[in-house]
Amino acid sequence: EVQLVESGGGLVQPGGSLRLSCAVSGSTFSNDWMHWVRQAPGKGLVWVSHIRSDGSDRSDISYVDSVKGRFTISRDNAKNTVYLQMNSLRVDDTAVYFCARDRHYASDSWGQGTLVTVSS
Amino acid sequence: QSALTQPASVSGSPGQSITISCTGTSSDVGGYNYVSWYQQHPGRAPKLMIREVSNRPSGVSNRFSGSKSDNTASLTISGLQAEDEADYYCYSYTSSNTWVFGGGTKLTVL
Repeated sequence: EVQLVESGGGLVQPGGSLRLSCAVSGSTFSNDWMHWVRQAPGKGLVWVSHIRSDGSDRSDISYVDSVKGRFTISRDNAKNTVYLQMNSLRVDDTAVYFCARDRHYASDSWGQGTLVTVSS
Repeated sequence: QSALTQPASVSGSPGQSITISCTGTSSDVGGYNYVSWYQQHPGRAPKLMIREVSNRPSGVSNRFSGSKSDNTASLTISGLQAEDEADYYCYSYTSSNTWVFGGGTKLTVL
């Protein structure tokens, strides 16, 4: 059974930084495409970022416009972990952040989410 | 990167069928057969219900079905049950090598 466990969320001031991690088990992680998805309190799901299995080429990575230049997705296939480095955080980045595994352009396995709160 | 358009809410009685629409453009829903649907209960992670427009993952009830016509995808739930009450989201790959969700639809089982 595939398991995804996010960590790294917390309370941060506007302009601050956080790095989220998502540890994956039960899957051949090095072959997996991965996504980050967020959900603001009481709102809908928003796709944030994607990284293909290698992640070494710029074409392997994409972002939603609202986080471009502030967030960076990366992965360590030796540690079966995907990361989301979030800089210049804004109040409207407050959300539960989920990682998800991609299978044929759909997300078939999800973590439980980690809450990021941006507030002064 | 505009969200796909879904109705905010739908409702039905137990045993009935409902359909949730998801409208995009030729750059997303209409351009690819990479539309999927997710069920989310409060406080829980989303669950994949339909992938690639109409394929059900193993373990998902055959009461759930999907289809697509031009730029609009649809999720149909037949034989409504109380446990189906949840939020539902469509999701599509786009021509910009990004993905986009619909705004979500709250299903109420009366």
